[in-house]
Parts: sequence; C-alpha cells; structure tokens
Amino acid sequence: GQNIDQPTEMTATEGAIVQINCTYQTSGFNGLFWYQQHAGEAPTFLSYNVLDGLEEKGRFSSFLSRSKGYSYLLLKELQMKDSASYLCAVRGSYSGAGSYQLTFGKGTKLSVIP
Amino acid sequence: DADVTQTPRNRITKTGKRIMLECSQTKGHDRMYWYRQDPGLGLRLIYYSFDVKDINKGEISDGYSVSRQAQAKFSLSLESAIPNQTALYFCATSSSQSGSVQTQYFGPGTRLLVL
Repeated sequence: GQNIDQPTEMTATEGAIVQINCTYQTSGFNGLFWYQQHAGEAPTFLSYNVLDGLEEKGRFSSFLSRSKGYSYLLLKELQMKDSASYLCAVRGSYSGAGSYQLTFGKGTKLSVIP
Repeated sequence: DADVTQTPRNRITKTGKRIMLECSQTKGHDRMYWYRQDPGLGLRLIYYSFDVKDINKGEISDGYSVSRQAQAKFSLSLESAIPNQTALYFCATSSSQSGSVQTQYFGPGTRLLVL
C-alpha cells in the first residue's frame, strides 16, 4: 500500500521562501512528482525526482531522499500567484506494460500574504 | 488550445440517473486515467487504460465503468448515480514513449453534483 503525508495548510509572505515537505511509505518506488493546483483548476506538473538530490527549475526546486522516504518542494521569491495547493505524488508498484500507478497525497494549501 | 478536454464541465443530476463524462485528448498519448477529487481526500484513481484494448480498475472503481472508444477518447459512466459520487472528476493522459518520467497531464475537470 501507499501512504503519503504532507501538511494540510501553510502560509508565507510575498517575496519569502517556503518549503513544503512530503513523506511517503510505499510498496516500491519509481519516482516522485510535484503538481500545482489552483482552486477549481487542473493540477499542473511542476517537477519529477527519481534519484536522490535536488532538481532546480527557476524559482522552484524539489529534493528527494529515497532512504528517508522524504521530499520537499522549495519555492523562492514567493508571488501572490503561487497561492495554490501543492500535490505530492509517488509512483510505486509496477502495473504492467512498462507503467506505474501514481498515488497522490492530500495536498498542501499554500496561502501567500502581502 | 486545450490538449485534454472534458465534457461537460459541470453537471447536476439526480440519484439513480445514468450519466457519462467524456474525455478527449489531442496529445497523441496512449495512456488515459480517470480520477476523482474530494475535499480532504486528494486525488484518487478510478480507472486507467494503457491502450484501446486495455482497461484496469483503480483504487475506487465500484459504481463506475469506463469505455475507451479510441486512443483519444476515454469515457467514465455512473450507471446509477448516488450522492456520495458528488466530486470533481479529472481525466489525465500520459505517454509510454516519454521515457521514465511519463508525466500525467490533466484535463480541466468536471464538477458533478448528485442530488
């Protein structure tokens, strides 16, 4: 089975840095994704980690430690438009035909305040 | 132009009615998925399909059925809708040709209310 934990809500100030943590216990691991979802909209892909370490993409970075079952998403120079939910998703067990199912955490709602 | 489209975007129906939610994609992806999203529960997988002849149950398939009419179309049916199927439904696609990443791309969602 899969268990993914992330904080329910966070608040941060415009221009600051915020770190959103995700811990997971899964049967098999084949990658971790971060998605951004604005209220009422579709999730959009932010980042993917399959090896330990930091992946940087502009203001957004994602870190993975497979031995600790831990990831974080780092958002720098926060903007008001970054107010959204951030979803951690783990790809676990092999499900045939060279593909794997994604299991999503419940999401972290980030509010950016002036 | 939307790569993944869902129709309808909003639907109100009554308990016991049969309804169909449709998903189309122009991304050329072979894999398609249906999820539902409920407040406090996150996204949960209902069904997925790796190609036209392949259908697989996800975590919460009871009360739902699907049809993969073509590579670009994947429909979700509620044979007899019940109030606890009120949720936001998302279709997603991915490509087996995209290497190890196989990112899933989501449609805009269908908001369903069952009275």
